[in-house]
Amino acid sequence: EDQVTQSPEALRLQEGESSSLNCSYTVSGLRGLFWYRQDPGKGPEFLFTLYSAGEEKEKERLKATLTKKESFLHITAPKPEDSATYLCAVQSNYGGATNKLIFGTGTLLAVQP
Amino acid sequence: DAGVTQSPTHLIKTRGQQVTLRCSPKSGHDTVSWYQQALGQGPQFIFQYYEEEERQRGNFPDRFSGHQFPNYSSELNVNALLLGDSALYLCASSTRLPANNEQFFGPGTRLTVL
Repeated sequence: EDQVTQSPEALRLQEGESSSLNCSYTVSGLRGLFWYRQDPGKGPEFLFTLYSAGEEKEKERLKATLTKKESFLHITAPKPEDSATYLCAVQSNYGGATNKLIFGTGTLLAVQP
Repeated sequence: DAGVTQSPTHLIKTRGQQVTLRCSPKSGHDTVSWYQQALGQGPQFIFQYYEEEERQRGNFPDRFSGHQFPNYSSELNVNALLLGDSALYLCASSTRLPANNEQFFGPGTRLTVL
């Protein structure tokens, strides 16, 4: 069964303290791995898509990397406005013609000034 | 360019009632997926529509049904509401191809069942 596990469940950082969030996955052929940011009571906001092991993408203070078993979201010198829940999701090559996303439960990040 | 829009923002219903949620996809998108997100959980796939047909369904009962209109907008209907149906309902839009393209989410509809 396709599954996504995120860790830690919650992370508290001081402003400027870099860290990484982990997303471990098991999937029947990875079509794509997606990172989203979600603020309280709002819909997820798309951040990155990764397609193959070794791929990396960056956006401001965020950098996403991918291996055959997991993905990391690295946050460099975070600011309070980076506080949010970060969601990881995968698509399986065996999902048929649809592109349904299978999500983890997310990491709640709090960055204190 | 308007993103994905959903209505209503909030809804309060009682057990046994029926509810209809609405979604307009991002301009240029032809595929709509619906997700349910319980508090503290990740979104769970309900079903996906394109070309006005349900293409795939997650592990949700038949009480959950949907529709897609010729303009690509979509509705999610839930019958015989249960307390456990209380959640944030998210609509995501995308293009059908390529299959691994990103999905853009709307702000969600918060449904509370009393």
